[in-house]
Amino acid sequence: AQSVTQLGSHVSVSEGALVLLRCNYSSSVPPYLFWYVQYPNQGLQLLLKYTTGATLVKGINGFEAEFKKSETSFHLTKPSAHMSDAAEYFCAVTSDSNYQLIWGAGTKLIIKP
Amino acid sequence: DTGVSQDPRHKITKRGQNVTFRCDPISEHNRLYWYRQTLGQGPEFLTYFQNEAQLEKSRLLSDRFSAERPKGSFSTLEIQRTEQGDSAMYLCASSSAGERESGELFFGEGSRLTVL
Repeated sequence: AQSVTQLGSHVSVSEGALVLLRCNYSSSVPPYLFWYVQYPNQGLQLLLKYTTGATLVKGINGFEAEFKKSETSFHLTKPSAHMSDAAEYFCAVTSDSNYQLIWGAGTKLIIKP
Repeated sequence: DTGVSQDPRHKITKRGQNVTFRCDPISEHNRLYWYRQTLGQGPEFLTYFQNEAQLEKSRLLSDRFSAERPKGSFSTLEIQRTEQGDSAMYLCASSSAGERESGELFFGEGSRLTVL
């Protein structure tokens, strides 16, 4: 069965610093991996996704993530944090079925001025 | 199209009462999903429709929960005889068939339920 682990329920970085949000997964099938972001009082929106091909994927707002099969990881990074990046970030993997994603518990990103 | 909309955004009810939530998906999307999200957790899958057919229900969904999508457009999620443990954010999402593997779900802002 698939599962997703996000290390750290809260991550705090200074404005301008590197953002690194960790995601590890387990999957019995080749995974499709996703990062979603949830801004305060808003719905979840897709940040980026990996399906096949290039393992480094770029998303919106300067975020990117790298699929590392050997490490079963899909960590999210951004070189320089901005105050507007403060949000909750969720990693997800496709399940064996064709209709649902398996979600991590989320990481709340806090940006310090 | 303004995206997925959910109504009401907030609902406070007393234990034992019934509540109903409505979701209007993006008009061209034929897949509709309901999720539940509690504080500090990711979304938990509840049920899924393709057009008007309910194709799967999670084991999390007790008999008190029922969902419909009568004409393949909007959907309702009803909770009967609410319990305090039902307090959560109920999320609706939609997507297009053929994008199963893209995993791109479009979410509404959610309906927050508080059961007193």
